[in-house]
Amino acid sequence: SQELEQSPQSLIVQEGKNLTINCTSSKTLYGLYWYKQKYGEGLIFLMMLQKGGEEKSHEKITAKLDEKKQQSSLHITASQPSHAGIYLCGADRAGTASKLTFGTGTRLQVTL
Amino acid sequence: GAVVSQHPSWVICKSGTSVKIECRSLDFQATTMFWYRQFPKQSLMLMATSNEGSKATYEQGVEKDKFLINHASLTLSTLTVTSAHPEDSSFYICSASWGTGYGYTFGSGTRLTVV
Repeated sequence: SQELEQSPQSLIVQEGKNLTINCTSSKTLYGLYWYKQKYGEGLIFLMMLQKGGEEKSHEKITAKLDEKKQQSSLHITASQPSHAGIYLCGADRAGTASKLTFGTGTRLQVTL
Repeated sequence: GAVVSQHPSWVICKSGTSVKIECRSLDFQATTMFWYRQFPKQSLMLMATSNEGSKATYEQGVEKDKFLINHASLTLSTLTVTSAHPEDSSFYICSASWGTGYGYTFGSGTRLTVV
């Protein structure tokens, strides 16, 4: 199985501050997905990265996948209370046995 | 966009009874569906993968007879927790994929409480 480690496990930031969440794999990633979850609710898709060196942005969130495809980062600029939640990175393997497994998760709190 | 509907959103059952959770893809045909379990303050743990018309593939450590998965059509997968016990209480969430590389869509989850 593919081990995905996220850091930090939890994060408290003041509104307006920037933050970065990291996701590291013990194996080369093929598809890397970032999701956000409110506790006890479903997952909200944020971004999918597939190519080494790829970078995507949506509103104030930017995700990157390194060239070796073993590490991804999620960066939030000028955080807002609406960014609070659990951020999960997930990875799958290309091919017929594709399935999505998740990292350990990062709990983000944004204070006023 | 692709929508996955999961029902019920919460359920309370007595110990020893069985509970069925449904996962439906509303506007696409899901070739593969996945079932996850999430404990409080933890990440999602993949339980099993199901393909329409074939037996589900369970992850190591997941009891096949306890968690019955049926994927009878391209739009419906069900998870039945049989003879539920308090330790089965958890948040269960399904996901559907319409093909490799096309991403995954998640249901809203089901909170199961066994009393």
